[in-house]
Amino acid sequence: AQSVTQLGSHVSVSEGALVLLRCNYSSSVPPYLFWYVQYPNQGLQLLLKYTTGATLVKGINGFEAEFKKSETSFHLTKPSAHMSDAAEYFCAVTDNNAGGTSYGKLTFGQGTILTVHP
Amino acid sequence: DGGITQSPKYLFRKEGQNVTLSCEQNLNHDAMYWYRQDPGQGLRLIYYSQIVNDFQKGDIAEGYSVSREKKESFPLTVTSAQKNPTAFYLCASSQSFNTGELFFGEGSRLTVL
Repeated sequence: AQSVTQLGSHVSVSEGALVLLRCNYSSSVPPYLFWYVQYPNQGLQLLLKYTTGATLVKGINGFEAEFKKSETSFHLTKPSAHMSDAAEYFCAVTDNNAGGTSYGKLTFGQGTILTVHP
Repeated sequence: DGGITQSPKYLFRKEGQNVTLSCEQNLNHDAMYWYRQDPGQGLRLIYYSQIVNDFQKGDIAEGYSVSREKKESFPLTVTSAQKNPTAFYLCASSQSFNTGELFFGEGSRLTVL
């Protein structure tokens, strides 16, 4: 079964610093990859996704992520953190068949709480 | 505005009582999902429905039941058989099952006393 590992349950950065949240998956077949954000006591919102094509994807709020097949990774970055970025971030993947079609079911990582200090 | 509405937002129940959480969407999406969220455990899939009148068990279905009689509605019942029901419950939908792009409601927090 597919698994997703987010390294670091808590990440703390200063305002204006680089944000790097790490995500690795286990599948040998490249899955569809997603990052979601959750603000306190709310649902999740899609930040960005990778399905096919260009491996560097840009999302909302200045975030981007790069799919690296050789490293089975999909790390999330933002060049300059803002106070409003403080939230919990979830990496998620779908299982795909050898032809690249998704089986549909999403597997979520454990989440990383991002704290931004003034 | 289109979206997903979950109710109630907060719910308190005594042990042994069944409780039903409501989820309604007006996005005309075919697929709907229920997730349970506990601190430090990410989201775990309870049930999902790819299309109206059809649903499948997810990874942690024991003690839960669902129905999908209408496209826009996917209620979740937490039964007395669920051993640890206190949690944050999230409903989501997607245009079709295999996109992976989910739209979430704001969640329902259930506390069993």
